[in-house]
Amino acid sequence: EAGVTQFPSHSVIEKGQTVTLRCDPISGHDNLYWYRRVMGKEIKFLLHFVKESKQDESGMPNNRFLAERTGGTYSTLKVQPAELEDSGVYFCASSQERVNTEAFFGQGTRLTVV
Amino acid sequence: AQTVTQSQPEMSVQEAETVTLSCTYDTSESNYYLFWYKQPPSRQMILVIRQEAYKQQNATENRFSVNFQKAAKSFSLKISDSQLGDTAMYFCAFMKHQNSGGYQKVTFGTGTKLQVIP
Repeated sequence: EAGVTQFPSHSVIEKGQTVTLRCDPISGHDNLYWYRRVMGKEIKFLLHFVKESKQDESGMPNNRFLAERTGGTYSTLKVQPAELEDSGVYFCASSQERVNTEAFFGQGTRLTVV
Repeated sequence: AQTVTQSQPEMSVQEAETVTLSCTYDTSESNYYLFWYKQPPSRQMILVIRQEAYKQQNATENRFSVNFQKAAKSFSLKISDSQLGDTAMYFCAFMKHQNSGGYQKVTFGTGTKLQVIP
């Protein structure tokens, strides 16, 4: 069974540009999460999808970040325009719709804004 | 709100030796879960071990075991017989117990970078 896959693995963009990160969850997982780790700090929650609906987006830093999950399958996270402080590793995770089950994480996308 | 603290940014251990990674947390919840996740370089983050707060017995998974001290809000990870493949970032994490729905958002620590030396 394929795990959670994220693309690209690395991205270097200039300040002001746009970047789109993609996450493919494990097939059949209704829950999809985005997290971010800024260098040296903790991994922080960004948002949670249940199928195609945003369940909780309390962690999104500002309106330069837009997450979508078309048809309840893969998800994208777009940053527009990117700022220097957006640099970090963006993790995606997915889980089944079951009480207190674990989530499976991808390898992360390392975003560097220069 | 919950907080998770990992006070060791980096650690190293000789192959075949034992190492303990520290984690403390703060919460007002009475029932919750604690996790240790491992992320090898450029690879997926995987769950190493999970502890349910209502269980007094410490969780173990092969060479990995935890020392869960609920009153002290401490959750350390012990790796026995360290192997080169244990080299990774280790994250301690907290999740509230819930009575319905799926997995919910997790609070992570800042991570400990472990290097196993041949």
